[in-house]
Amino acid sequence: DGGITQSPKYLFRKEGQNVTLSCEQNLNHDAMYWYRQDPGQGLRLIYYSQIVNDFQKGDIAEGYSVSREKKESFPLTVTSAQKNPTAFYLCASTQSSGNTIYFGEGSWLTVV
Amino acid sequence: DQQVKQNSPSLSVQEGRISILNCDYTNSMFDYFLWYKKYPAEGPTFLISISSIKDKNEDGRFTVFLNKSAKHLSLHIVPSQPGDSAVYFCAAWDNYGQNFVFGPGTRLSVLP
Repeated sequence: DGGITQSPKYLFRKEGQNVTLSCEQNLNHDAMYWYRQDPGQGLRLIYYSQIVNDFQKGDIAEGYSVSREKKESFPLTVTSAQKNPTAFYLCASTQSSGNTIYFGEGSWLTVV
Repeated sequence: DQQVKQNSPSLSVQEGRISILNCDYTNSMFDYFLWYKKYPAEGPTFLISISSIKDKNEDGRFTVFLNKSAKHLSLHIVPSQPGDSAVYFCAAWDNYGQNFVFGPGTRLSVLP
C-alpha cells in the first residue's frame, strides 16, 4: 500500500535532548513537508523540500532541522533549542508543486 | 498575519441538514484550494479541491464553491452525518512560496 509513514507515533523527550521524527513515503512524491499542530490551532509549516538535497524553512523553523538525502525520506530533528516542542507533528508530501498534499498519521511529541 | 482564515472555530449542525464551512483568503495569487478533514490524533485526509478557473466542484455529498472576487470559498456537506464530525481545514497553494497555507480549522459537530 502506498502512503506516508511517520514514526514513532508517541515520543517522550527530556528537556535538553534532541529527538528525530521519521517520515517515509513510497508514493514517489517529489515534495515533502513538516507541519506542527498545537491543541486548538491550525497547521504551521516548519520545513519543506521540493527535491532531494534541498529544503527551505517554513514559518516556524527555529529549533528544528531536516535533511533530504533520499527522495522517500524527510526526517525532522527537534533540537534542544526549540522552546516549546510539545505538539503533534505531521509529515506530508505532494507529487509536485501545487498538487494535492497527502499526510501521514502524525507523531505526538511530549517533553517531560 | 493569516492569509487563510476560517472565522468560525466551531459549528454544530443537526444530522441530515446542510453544513456550510467558510474560508476567506487574502492573497489574490492563490489559485488552488483544498479542504481537509481531521480526526483527533490522526493526519488530515483530503476531501475536495477547486482550481481558480472553476467556481464549483462537487464530489458526492461535498461541494466546494469559490468566489474569486470576494476571495471566499465554502464547503457544503449535504446531508450531514454524525461521522462528518471532525475539524475541517481550508488550504491554499501559494505559488510564490511554493507551499500550502492552511487555515486554523473549523470543528464541525453533527448532532444525531
